[in-house]
Amino acid sequence: DAGVIQSPRHEVTEMGQEVTLRCKPISGHDYLFWYRQTMMRGLELLIYFNNNVPIDDSGMPEDRFSAKMPNASFSTLKIQPSEPRDSAVYFCASLSGSGNEQFFGPGTRLTVL
Amino acid sequence: AQTVTQSQPEMSVQEAETVTLSCTYDTSESDYYLFWYKQPPSRQMILVIRQEAYKQQNATENRFSVNFQKAAKSFSLKISDSQLGDAAMYFCAYGRFGNEKLTFGTGTRLTIIP
Repeated sequence: DAGVIQSPRHEVTEMGQEVTLRCKPISGHDYLFWYRQTMMRGLELLIYFNNNVPIDDSGMPEDRFSAKMPNASFSTLKIQPSEPRDSAVYFCASLSGSGNEQFFGPGTRLTVL
Repeated sequence: AQTVTQSQPEMSVQEAETVTLSCTYDTSESDYYLFWYKQPPSRQMILVIRQEAYKQQNATENRFSVNFQKAAKSFSLKISDSQLGDAAMYFCAYGRFGNEKLTFGTGTRLTIIP
């Protein structure tokens, strides 16, 4: 298996622009997680899905952030409009319902100018 | 709410020596999992080792082992025969049994001195 795939690996955009981050989980995994990592706040869970259904979005910072999982093999995290304080590394991770190890993607480094 | 504390922001060790990274956590649960993840400069998060709270025996994975003290809520990671490739950020994480969410500590940056 190719592991968790995220795209793009790097994104540079200007304040006010819409940003879409993409994730393909490991095939057969039931859970998908979106994390944000910053120096100030460390690794934060934003939202997670089970069988494509959002279970807990309490970590989503504000309405500018939204996440979808239209099918078992694809998820997006959208920021609209983006702000400089959204600059961070965003990770996607997936988990099998029969296991307890979360497998992480390589992350997307987002820079908002 | 569960919290995970890593009190050592940075550690360093001579190559081939042994180093121990500390982690404490706070929970009222009895069934849970604990993890150590490694994040090298490539930023890829890699699972190093895991421990189920119901297991009394400490987990080991080659040069990596843990000292799990359930009553003290302590979960330290010991790296033996340190190698240059061990240089990374190490994160301790807690997961409640039956709940898929993980709570991460703030990390310890480990430097290996040649």
